[in-house]
Amino acid sequence: QVQLVQSGTEVKKPGSSVKVSCKASGGTFSSNVISWVRQAPGQGLEYLGGIIPILGTANYAQSFQGRVTITADRSTSTAYMEMSSLTSEDTAVYYCARVMGGAGSPYYPFDYWGQGTLVTVSS
Amino acid sequence: DIVMTQSPDSLTLSLGERAAINCNSSQTVLYSSNNKNYLAWYQQKPGQPPKLLIYWASTRESGVPDRFSGSGSGTDFTLTISSLQAEDVAIYYCQQYYTPPMTFGQGTKVEIK
Repeated sequence: QVQLVQSGTEVKKPGSSVKVSCKASGGTFSSNVISWVRQAPGQGLEYLGGIIPILGTANYAQSFQGRVTITADRSTSTAYMEMSSLTSEDTAVYYCARVMGGAGSPYYPFDYWGQGTLVTVSS
Repeated sequence: DIVMTQSPDSLTLSLGERAAINCNSSQTVLYSSNNKNYLAWYQQKPGQPPKLLIYWASTRESGVPDRFSGSGSGTDFTLTISSLQAEDVAIYYCQQYYTPPMTFGQGTKVEIK
């Protein structure tokens, strides 16, 4: 059974950075894309980007290009999402999710999700 | 980016009633080479991550009750709950995975009357 376990709650100051981890178990980490999605309080789901661990290549939604960096460590089956220049608008629950298809294809739905990491940005 | 628009924003029905949620994409998500619609539906309950219900517009994920069904093609899709149960109270999202960024609809909240 695939499991994605994320790191814990973060409280950050405006202008700082945050790095959230997502450790995978029970599946083939390298060949499935890992995507990141966030959800602001009471709001919908917003796609940030994804990474193909076997290649180490990431893609980003235009809104987050240059401010979000997604990486993966194949040795520990862990993906990371780092966001810089935080503002209060970045307060949200951040989810990692596994893309269903293998072979590094992003063109599948998200079949397994992490439990979510609350990031609060406040002075 | 492909814009996904759901309707209605909320739905309040009695137990056992049929629920229908619509999703429209700003451009087709039907890939002509394989005749597949790159459209998924998710269910999210309070305090939980989303759960995949339907993909390829009409394929039910393993373990999802058969009262959930998906239909549509091209740009217009529907998620139907044939007989609403108490445990179906949730927010439902459609998502296109045809092209990055993999955008979601704004969500439809389903409640019991």
